[in-house]
Parts: sequence; C-alpha cells; structure tokens
Amino acid sequence: GENVEQHPSTLSVQEGDSAVIKCTYSDSASNYFPWYKQELGKGPQLIIDIRSNVGEKKDQRIAVTLNKTAKHFSLHITETQPEDSAVYFCAASRGADGLTFGKGTHLIIQP
Amino acid sequence: NAGVTQTPKFRVLKTGQSMTLLCAQDMNHEYMYWYRQDPGMGLRLIHYSVGEGTTAKGEVPDGYNVSRLKKQNFLLGLESAAPSQTSVYFCASSSSGYSYEQYFGPGTRLTVT
Repeated sequence: GENVEQHPSTLSVQEGDSAVIKCTYSDSASNYFPWYKQELGKGPQLIIDIRSNVGEKKDQRIAVTLNKTAKHFSLHITETQPEDSAVYFCAASRGADGLTFGKGTHLIIQP
Repeated sequence: NAGVTQTPKFRVLKTGQSMTLLCAQDMNHEYMYWYRQDPGMGLRLIHYSVGEGTTAKGEVPDGYNVSRLKKQNFLLGLESAAPSQTSVYFCASSSSGYSYEQYFGPGTRLTVT
C-alpha cells in the first residue's frame, strides 16, 4: 500500500517568514495530493490540493509543488501570520479508496 | 447546509462495551470514509463506502464494522471496545467523479477504559 512520509514534525518560523513542509510518497499510481490544516479540537480542513498532471499550484500565500519523478511534494506558505499556526497534514490518493496521510507538521509562528 | 456532522462528540466506554458512531452529510456525496487519529500517527483509514449499500476495508479495519444503509449516513460500530480503540474518529465525504476532495466532520473523541 501507499506510504507517505512528512518532514519536519515541528517547524518554528518568525512571523512574516516563509515555511516549507515536505512529503514523499511510495505508490506511483497515486494521482491526487491534498494538504490539510487542523486546528486544535477541529477536523482537518483542505487548504490546497494538486493532481499528478500539474507541477505547481498557488492560492494567495499558499503554494504546492509536485515532482512525480522523485515522488515528492511540498507545501510553501509565504508571509506567515499568527493564524497559520496549526498542524498541517499531507496526503496521497489513487482515487475513491481513501487518503493516506503523513504524520503531520506542527507549525509554530513566532511573533 | 451543515456539511458533515458526527454524533456523539465525546464518549467513554468500558472494555467490552459496544457503541455506534453516526456520520451524516447533506451534500449528496457518494463516497464516505471513517478515519482514526492517534497522537503522532496522523489519520488512518478504517473503512469506506463508494455508494449506498457498499462498504470496503481500509488500512486498520480490525475491531470495527460499518454500514451505509442510506446515502447520507455512514455508521461505525465497535462490537467489543478495547483500550487500543481509544482515539479521535473522523468521518469524511466526497463527491464522485474527478473531484476527490474530502470534507471532514468535527470528530468524536472516544475513550475506552
């Protein structure tokens, strides 16, 4: 089955700086790669996703890149703000049979 | 439009007791999923359904059963709870077709003593 590795487990950045979280996957058949943000006591919320036919996608301060050859994808957050503090999860999927998640990155924005 | 709702929000069980977690969605989604989240483990898929009347096993199905008798509801059952099933359970749904985006509920925190 699919295996998703996520690094780092904790990331502390100064407010206004950029944050990068990286994930690798093992199943070359995976074709959908979402990123979720989870705040304390809440369910995961989708913030951005990318499909295997696209190399990069951007939505305001958030961007995701995908390298299919190397089987890795990354989340980039620019101009970080206090409200960006949360746990971020990457995931991979081949379709309707569910998501395989990484173990999460606790992002801390230092004032 | 409530999205995905889960009942109950919290529950404490004794070892060996049974219970059912209810997930409901009002988005007319075909696909529904149950995940569990443990500290440091991310979310892991328990069971899923690709349509009314269908169910399939995920990564960690042992000790759980599911049913999808109505399109909008997906039930997760624990027949004989064990302390290893202490976790936060999340339900999610997605529409069929090309969009795989999953919408998550708020979670159920279950403690088995």
